Amino acid sequence: SYELTQPPSVSVSPGQTADITCIGETLDDKYVSWYQQRPGQSPILVIHQDSKRPSGIPERFSGSNSGNTATLSIRGTQPTDEAVYFCQTWARSTVIFGGGTELTVL
Amino acid sequence: VHLVESGGGLVSPGDSLTLSCVTSGFTFDRYGLGWVRQAPGKGPEWVSSISSTSSYIYYADSLKGRFTISRDYAKNSVSLHINSVRAEDTALYYCARECVNCSASPPFDYWGQGTMLTVSS
Repeated sequence: SYELTQPPSVSVSPGQTADITCIGETLDDKYVSWYQQRPGQSPILVIHQDSKRPSGIPERFSGSNSGNTATLSIRGTQPTDEAVYFCQTWARSTVIFGGGTELTVL
Repeated sequence: VHLVESGGGLVSPGDSLTLSCVTSGFTFDRYGLGWVRQAPGKGPEWVSSISSTSSYIYYADSLKGRFTISRDYAKNSVSLHINSVRAEDTALYYCARECVNCSASPPFDYWGQGTMLTVSS
């Protein structure tokens, strides 16, 4: 079965850029979405179709997808960006989620 | 856009139950819908999706056979019936809307708050 692999945690200083990766076999053949989940809250879609931002998502959030790796980049990271981020794609009519990356801003 | 789940609670192994999700704020018959569950401290696990017309229904391979998704166009709702629940079904079950015009592999653009299912004897 298809799998998406994310690092368990990423740390970044306030104002710096955080890069969160998501690895899957020939991932660039598929569209990747990213979700933000703060503690006790439902996931929020922050990137879809690899690099598109839904309405209301700050321009600081961007995405890319090349080869086997999709990347969510958060520019000028703020304390409010602390959350768990999940990547997601479809493979053979199945929705796949990555295991999630906890972003710490310190 | 609102999605409100209900039907969770404490059930015994082997019981059956139906989770429901009432939606509002959008044209119900234009959007696909799905169920995603999240066990405590774990990442999301997709359960099932149903297309806008109910013509296409998909289930996670590991869950096929015990879960049934359906939608009620009169009530603007989607349901998930679970047969013979197991301890490993314990999770927060989210109802989510698929994004229209977001590609043939749509993400979930709106999520409900979830309903908690706990399976324990």
